[in-house]
Amino acid sequence: QQQVKQSPQSLIVQKGGISIINCAYENTAFDYFPWYQQFPGKGPALLIAIRPDVSEKKEGRFTISFNKSAKQFSLHIMDSQPGDSATYFCAAAAGAGSYQLTFGKGTKLSVIP
Amino acid sequence: ETGVTQSPTHLIKTRGQQVTLRCSSQSGHNTVSWYQQALGQGPQFIFQYYREEENGRGNFPPRFSGLQFPNYSSELNVNALELDDSALYLCASSTRTGPHLNTGELFFGEGSRLTVL
Repeated sequence: QQQVKQSPQSLIVQKGGISIINCAYENTAFDYFPWYQQFPGKGPALLIAIRPDVSEKKEGRFTISFNKSAKQFSLHIMDSQPGDSATYFCAAAAGAGSYQLTFGKGTKLSVIP
Repeated sequence: ETGVTQSPTHLIKTRGQQVTLRCSSQSGHNTVSWYQQALGQGPQFIFQYYREEENGRGNFPPRFSGLQFPNYSSELNVNALELDDSALYLCASSTRTGPHLNTGELFFGEGSRLTVL
């Protein structure tokens, strides 16, 4: 059972455009929602994370929007750059002590000049 | 760089064999988690260790086992290898102030790519 559904599977965006990746979850016990960025040959790296007590979190060009009632959250990348080309994973975890992340299947983002 | 190092980076085994993967945590981190990432998929949680004890386990069979040492480095052992075990195995370290208190961020290594023939 896939507990975190991520879409789209791949995304092509023009330089300067906005990249939007969506995730939906099923487990209402989830209370920590990070996004990870992975370049080829590298491990995932934390990009930004949110807890359900806020509906939006912004760090630089990256914003998470969170809709608790719909059990959905999304990543927006503003002014997308070729260097943002990577695979992005949403994830979720339950409980303050948990490092047991449930990941989505990933979105391969390509930003073209 | 995250300061998490894994070895070996690549290895090839045959079905039925056993493999040991190693991970050196970032300095000061007391918790290690292991994830399996199949090609084109997101990482899947295998288990985590806090202060040398298993502190959580995902949906993996007992032939997947691990150890954490006093210096917080870790090993992942897989017995009776199957073709479906071919994947990138990721180690992640983090800091925990208590058994059930995390500080949020996992730092991943670059992984060990296992191919089972």
